[in-house]
Amino acid sequence: NAGVTQTPKFRILKIGQSMTLQCAQDMNHNYMYWYRQDPGMGLKLIYYSVGAGITDKGEVPNGYNVSRSTTEDFPLRLELAAPSQTSVYFCASRAPLAGVYEQYFGPGTRLTVT
Amino acid sequence: AQKVTQAQTEISVVEKEDVTLDCVYETRDTTYYLFWYKQPPSGELVFLIRRNSFDEQNEISGRYSWNFQKSTSSFNFTITASQVVDSAVYFCALSGIIQGAQKLVFGQGTRLTINP
Repeated sequence: NAGVTQTPKFRILKIGQSMTLQCAQDMNHNYMYWYRQDPGMGLKLIYYSVGAGITDKGEVPNGYNVSRSTTEDFPLRLELAAPSQTSVYFCASRAPLAGVYEQYFGPGTRLTVT
Repeated sequence: AQKVTQAQTEISVVEKEDVTLDCVYETRDTTYYLFWYKQPPSGELVFLIRRNSFDEQNEISGRYSWNFQKSTSSFNFTITASQVVDSAVYFCALSGIIQGAQKLVFGQGTRLTINP
């Protein structure tokens, strides 16, 4: 298993540009999550999904959109990028099994908006 | 609202010393889960341990041990005989379960530096 994969690893955007951060997992996990990590801070939840076709907002959803058309993929869309969105973005997934609660994280995407 | 506080922003010790990372949490849920994750300099997040609110047994895994105390809402992490490879940022996290989902709330992290 490749686990949770994210592309790209790094990206520089100009203010106002848009982009999609890709996330995929091959573990058949129902639950998927997007977090952002600002410098020197912990992670904050942007959006999450409990299965294909079902998404919901987390703590900091403004400026982002998500979709979940398949179990494997959970892309995060940034529209009209702003400097405040400079961060490291982590995607995570969790098994659907009862009693299994740990999330497994991808390697992250470092985004700079200038 | 749930909250996790890691009051120690940075800790620096000499190799082979023992070190304890503090984690204090707030929640109104009766069922909740606590986690520790490690973020080495390479940047990925590595799961270390999960503990549920009904299990107050301390746990030891090699040089790592965890002390969960509901009475003080704390879930502290101790590294015994620290090694340079333990240098990383360590995050404590808390979650409840809402409609089957799990939303992790992270502390700000403690940057641990082990000096040779």
